[in-house]
Amino acid sequence: RKEVEQDPGPFNVPEGATVAFNCTYSNSASQSFFWYRQDCRKEPKLLMSVYSSGNEDGRFTAQLNRASQYISLLIRDSKLSDSATYLCVVNGPYKYIFGTGTRLKVLA
Amino acid sequence: NAGVTQTPKFRVLKTGQSMTLLCAQDMNHEYMYWYRQDPGMGLRLIHYSVGEGTTAKGEVPDGYNVSRLKKQNFLLGLESAAPSQTSVYFCASSPDDNEQFFGPGTRLTVL
Repeated sequence: RKEVEQDPGPFNVPEGATVAFNCTYSNSASQSFFWYRQDCRKEPKLLMSVYSSGNEDGRFTAQLNRASQYISLLIRDSKLSDSATYLCVVNGPYKYIFGTGTRLKVLA
Repeated sequence: NAGVTQTPKFRVLKTGQSMTLLCAQDMNHEYMYWYRQDPGMGLRLIHYSVGEGTTAKGEVPDGYNVSRLKKQNFLLGLESAAPSQTSVYFCASSPDDNEQFFGPGTRLTVL
């Protein structure tokens, strides 16, 4: 099992839709979790940290499920500008482990 | 603030050549990291530094060396480039080993 696994997608959704991504991790001792956004041929940028109690930032909601070892990202009211690759990041034996990313395409 | 900058943006090397990638940050961050990103694989940590004068190995350190002589700079060296080192290299910095701020990347091709 990979240390961090994501569905590569792409997820093709119409504008205004709600879309959710999951990310599973294998190290039960992991304590830090993040979602990053990466646009094509650009650098990753932090979207949000994921806390045990869950957190929300505008249209974006992140959740952590320690028992099942996954984190989720929910995007409501999708915009064209949300089209990107979303990277799940979990701390591991070598600092941080990045997932391969989930591609989202928001269609007009 | 320029944030995190990387030099060069693109480079083509022949097998066996050497080169140094420069990462600079103007945010006074203690932590700095070098990653490589390959198709179908997540970013993988090569080396990192927790402060000036310190370096440590990451997940894929073989074939690379690093130096952090000044707090603002983190250099990644390839002594004898191999085609397997063709990749996009990202540098990042962090004030507290949590949120990381990435540079724009260096696209390296080794022929």
